[in-house]
Amino acid sequence: DAGVIQSPRHEVTEMGQEVTLRCKPISGHNSLFWYRQTMMRGLELLIYFNNNVPIDDSGMPEDRFSAKMPNASFSTLKIQPSEPRDSAVYFCASTSGSTYNEQFFGPGTRLTVL
Amino acid sequence: GQQLNQSPQSMFIQEGEDVSMNCTSSSIFNTWLWYKQDPGEGPVLLIALYKAGELTSNGRLTAQFGITRKDSFLNISASIPSDVGIYFCAGQKFGNEKLTFGTGTRLTIIP
Repeated sequence: DAGVIQSPRHEVTEMGQEVTLRCKPISGHNSLFWYRQTMMRGLELLIYFNNNVPIDDSGMPEDRFSAKMPNASFSTLKIQPSEPRDSAVYFCASTSGSTYNEQFFGPGTRLTVL
Repeated sequence: GQQLNQSPQSMFIQEGEDVSMNCTSSSIFNTWLWYKQDPGEGPVLLIALYKAGELTSNGRLTAQFGITRKDSFLNISASIPSDVGIYFCAGQKFGNEKLTFGTGTRLTIIP
């Protein structure tokens, strides 16, 4: 079975540009999580969705960040405008209702903002 | 946001040695999980603990859910090269899907 799919795997962009990260959760999973990982702050939860509805976005750093989940098989995390301090690895994870605490992570997107 | 405190931050061991790491929190969690992250990959679940005092094994890995619900530990016996990576604990509170992750323990095996 395919795991969580993220694209792109690597993104290099210039400050001020818009960045869109994409995630396809595991089929049948109804919760989706976006995380950011940096050396300084570790693994931080940004936002999570349940049945395509945003449940908790308290981890979203500021208005430059937005996330959507238009359907059960796709989610995006957008940063506009991007800044160098946004450079990090962004992970998407999904889980099902039956094993809701066993989150399955994607391979991540390494974002570098110059 | 809150993070769980993991120790040690890093470990340098020789192949065949046993490893022990722990995770502590100032608040109670109802579920403890241990993940491993390989370079360039996302974390992968190793062990899940659901009950205070529970001791669970997965091959050479053994983890325990602390009685106070504020801590957990992970042991790896007879380490092998593929054990290299970063180990994260994560806690979950009852009725909440959010996981709070630890700061990580980086394991390196010295040739």
